[in-house]
Amino acid sequence: DAKTTQPPSMDCAEGRAANLPCNHSTISGNEYVYWYRQIHSQGPQYIIHGLKNNETNEMASLIITEDRKSSTLILPHATLRDTAVYYCIVRIIDRGSTLGRLYFGRGTQLTVWP
Amino acid sequence: GAVVSQHPSWVICKSGTSVKIECRSLDFQATTMFWYRQFPKQSLMLMATSNEGSKATYEQGVEKDKFLINHASLTLSTLTVTSAHPEDSSFYICSASRTEYGYTFGSGTRLTVV
Repeated sequence: DAKTTQPPSMDCAEGRAANLPCNHSTISGNEYVYWYRQIHSQGPQYIIHGLKNNETNEMASLIITEDRKSSTLILPHATLRDTAVYYCIVRIIDRGSTLGRLYFGRGTQLTVWP
Repeated sequence: GAVVSQHPSWVICKSGTSVKIECRSLDFQATTMFWYRQFPKQSLMLMATSNEGSKATYEQGVEKDKFLINHASLTLSTLTVTSAHPEDSSFYICSASRTEYGYTFGSGTRLTVV
């Protein structure tokens, strides 16, 4: 089961930063936060992931609160092509294993408008 | 790197027949693959974890006899929907784990049972 809560939808003006929040208050110490996005009828696309430090790559930045109970994905300059459903996922790891599974929640539909 | 290919991208079959969907990791070896199902306007639901050389692990509520998974090599996992019925019509997506951190998704297979 998904351990995350996200707003169902958000809007953002093209060229502005899109800040997508995610709550994961029951996250455990060794569980990573992953962000994926899905454009209609395609497979999810990896964006970024982190454990406790803030992360940045060519697509986005991930800000994780100090208590790790929430995080924010930041798309610094949103474009129309960033319109998609964004999923915040806590990777669930089986006890005694290094294998993790991703359980998707409902995600946030981000609409970027011109 | 880390490309996952799914085939076919779409398939229409008659009720009562079986359909096989292939998931290949093209440039890496995947000891673990995952199969998801997604109904329209819903999130991805994890169906099973496919382990190379061993039996798949199914999520609760997923019929293992209906959704047969075979992971015979480090680059190929197959999902066979047996005796398909219209309610099995869905978007099926596979994911491959390259390391304990990376998850790459295929482009999905749209199954329509008529």
